[in-house]
Amino acid sequence: GAVVSQHPSRVICKSGTSVKIECRSLDFQATTMFWYRQFPKKSLMLMATSNEGSKATYEQGVEKDKFLINHASLTLSTLTVTSAHPEDSSFYICSARDPQGGWEGYQETQYFGPGTRLLVL
Amino acid sequence: RKEVEQDPGPFNVPEGATVAFNCTYSNSASQSFFWYRQDCRKEPKLLMSVYSSGNEDGRFTAQLNRASQYISLLIRDSKLSDSATYLCVVNGDFGNEKLTFGTGTRLTIIP
Repeated sequence: GAVVSQHPSRVICKSGTSVKIECRSLDFQATTMFWYRQFPKKSLMLMATSNEGSKATYEQGVEKDKFLINHASLTLSTLTVTSAHPEDSSFYICSARDPQGGWEGYQETQYFGPGTRLLVL
Repeated sequence: RKEVEQDPGPFNVPEGATVAFNCTYSNSASQSFFWYRQDCRKEPKLLMSVYSSGNEDGRFTAQLNRASQYISLLIRDSKLSDSATYLCVVNGDFGNEKLTFGTGTRLTIIP
């Protein structure tokens, strides 16, 4: 199946710094990628939909100026957590649709990256 | 009401037993339904899609009841490797790719 990578796998940073997380589709071109966040023992929550060449669509309650998303190519989307605070510590996961990858249910299959664990001190 | 609701468990089940999970969803326009599996500190992985006609994949059987907005997953002859959190996932209506995840049901298979 398609592979999605994320980098870094884990990061520890000081409060007030910015952290960039990369999501790459390794063997397919992804016009759409999704960014999720998961707090301990909680569900994955969609933060934003990243569209190649256009602005991301943010979910209600997600600050677009704090979580900057750039989808500059068909294989790379980045999420930058600006001025990170301890409450931003979480597991950030991206997913990507493979337009050639078949369907699951009534939608194109989404493949998840391995996630990035962010700890803000 | 939560969009996707699951019994959080935990379910502690002896090896070889059958275990069933349930899930309800609130959006009647949802079209695609899935069960994902998530191991500790890992990303979720698709286990199977769920259809109204029901579908089976080896020891796993999934059922969808649209009238009741209810999804189930049955695991037969459970293995130690089945220990994980099982996530019920629902999308929006046609053309809406956004997935909504339940909080998951934690399953531990006991030797």
